[in-house]
Amino acid sequence: QVQLQQSGPGLVKPSQTLSLTCAISGESVSSNSATWNWIRQSPSRGLEWLGRTYFRSKWYNDYAVSVKSRITINPDTSKNQFSLEMNSMTPEDTAVYYCARKRVADDAFDIWGQGTMVTVSS
Amino acid sequence: QAVLTQPSSLSASPGASVSLTCTFHSGINVNTYRIYWYQQKPGSPPQYLLRFKSVADKQQGSGVPSRFSATKDLSANAGILLISGLQSEDEADYYCMIWHSSAWVFGGGTKLTVL
Repeated sequence: QVQLQQSGPGLVKPSQTLSLTCAISGESVSSNSATWNWIRQSPSRGLEWLGRTYFRSKWYNDYAVSVKSRITINPDTSKNQFSLEMNSMTPEDTAVYYCARKRVADDAFDIWGQGTMVTVSS
Repeated sequence: QAVLTQPSSLSASPGASVSLTCTFHSGINVNTYRIYWYQQKPGSPPQYLLRFKSVADKQQGSGVPSRFSATKDLSANAGILLISGLQSEDEADYYCMIWHSSAWVFGGGTKLTVL
């Protein structure tokens, strides 16, 4: 049974960098049949896909245009996890951040992390 | 104009059937898209319900009751989530999603209240 466990700070100061980690159990981050995603949700922006990392003979990353210049998603095969880094945080980035698996077979976000409420405030 | 537009709220009585719409931007054709539907209850992440592109290309999420189904209204350029035999536990927010311009895009969600 695949589970995703998120960790990271709940408070970030403006202009600083957000770092979140999503630890995977029950499946390898290097799986050829999944992608590993970050999604956030706020009252003002709704649900917003941020980006993904996945392995298909080599590693790939895709990012949403809205955050592409500020975001990095990295796999960590030694710890079987993946991470999100977003720099130049502003109060508009205040949101619940989720990691989620998208399985090729089902073609849907079927497993989600518990969510991390991130507040950007000084 | 947003890519996907959903009514902000809807209410219905237990046992009733409801249709939740997801209207596509006029510049994109609903007929060419797989539409994914998610249910979200307070304090929890969204949960996958099903996806629908056509009668030949659809999938029910694991454990999702057959009371939940989907279709498209091509004349309205919209996807529709159908819930029959409404139950109190169906009270939740419902989101549609598509893959568009190399990104996953969500609708704004519909809050369904079961009166």
